[in-house]
Amino acid sequence: NAGVTQTPKFQVLKTGQSMTLQCAQDMNHNSMYWYRQDPGMGLRLIYYSASEGTTDKGEVPNGYNVSRLNKREFSLRLESAAPSQTSVYFCASSDLWVTGELFFGEGSRLTVL
Amino acid sequence: DAKTTQPPSMDCAEGRAANLPCNHSTISGNEYVYWYRQIHSQGPQYIIHGLKNNETNEMASLIITEDRKSSTLILPHATLRDTAVYYCIVRAPSSNAGGTSYGKLTFGQGTILTVHP
Repeated sequence: NAGVTQTPKFQVLKTGQSMTLQCAQDMNHNSMYWYRQDPGMGLRLIYYSASEGTTDKGEVPNGYNVSRLNKREFSLRLESAAPSQTSVYFCASSDLWVTGELFFGEGSRLTVL
Repeated sequence: DAKTTQPPSMDCAEGRAANLPCNHSTISGNEYVYWYRQIHSQGPQYIIHGLKNNETNEMASLIITEDRKSSTLILPHATLRDTAVYYCIVRAPSSNAGGTSYGKLTFGQGTILTVHP
């Protein structure tokens, strides 16, 4: 069972470069989320997609864009990376109608120099 | 969503019960209590959730006080692999397509549980 798969797992960028983090889930979940976690901190919600075709801002959306490509895939784009975006990024998914239990991916570790 | 307060760290001996407290004094009537844990560098893992009745599953038990202002997560026989950060989260449930709380979870600092041999 793959669950939630994130790519890449590790990435180093220079300031100003762009990149896209990919996330895919195989549980037929309606909702998907992107969180970031800075060292010693809890997770903060960047963007979420309640269902295919919709996206909404979370707590810390500045500097990011998202695309809900289809029901399975939800990508996070950094258009012009900044050192403040150095973090671990987690994608998650949930079934909108049931318990709301979130299933998380393994994380993508991004360093911006 | 209601704010939660947890102790920053706790210790537990292997094989003993670990009791992790959480205060959520501003909880609303329709808000659930969720517990997640995060083992070092991994994505958070769902443990259990409840509304007002005590709940038990294969991982843990959740005890919610009658006034719902606090709760306790119990790991009945802690093992070294239970060493992790435990997050207590309170949120309203997903209701319908017109709602806005589509499973948004607000993670605080959590409790670092260290299980000792």
